[in-house]
Amino acid sequence: DAKTTQPTSMDCAEGRAANLPCNHSTISGNEYVYWYRQIHSQGPQYIIHGLKNNETNEMASLIITEDRKSSTLILPHATLRDTAVYYCIVRVANDFNKFYFGSGTKLNVKP
Amino acid sequence: NAGVTQTPKFRVLKTGQSMTLLCAQDMNHEYMYWYRQDPGMGLRLIHYSVGEGTTAKGEVPDGYNVSRLKKQNFLLGLESAAPSQTSVYFCASSYSWQLQETQYFGPGTRLLVL
Repeated sequence: DAKTTQPTSMDCAEGRAANLPCNHSTISGNEYVYWYRQIHSQGPQYIIHGLKNNETNEMASLIITEDRKSSTLILPHATLRDTAVYYCIVRVANDFNKFYFGSGTKLNVKP
Repeated sequence: NAGVTQTPKFRVLKTGQSMTLLCAQDMNHEYMYWYRQDPGMGLRLIHYSVGEGTTAKGEVPDGYNVSRLKKQNFLLGLESAAPSQTSVYFCASSYSWQLQETQYFGPGTRLLVL
């Protein structure tokens, strides 16, 4: 199973871009990278996912390195409401629909 | 469209008591999941269901049972609660098992076992 490594916490100034790194050096070729976040006392919320190419949606951008061993989630203009724990997850392709969330990165957006 | 709902929101049990957590979704999703979340450990999958009438074990199934009698509901049971089961429990659902599908989570149930 491909596991992920993320920094425990990061700070970001409000209005600036937040770049959250994730290492997944044992990822397999058919495994996707997912990002979820969890705001305090709420259930996790889907942000974005990708396989090889960079992806962008209304919430964030996902940059995956060419060797797929790491990725970066980018929140282009962080707001105070983006303060949350961000989970980088690699989908285990052969295990039926299991997500291994790990401990995530606590992003603190400061005014 | 309420999405995924969970009841109760909070519960205190004594060791040895039993209870059932209810998860309901109105998105017509086939797949449903129960997770527990403990400090510093992220989310761990307890049980999941790939459709009405079917259930399967996840990463940490011991001490829990589940049932999926109706497509929209997924019940998590604790037959004899233990302090180690103090946790926050999240239910989730998804349309399919396809890799590109996302999971939608409920607001969580906080359980304290004394």
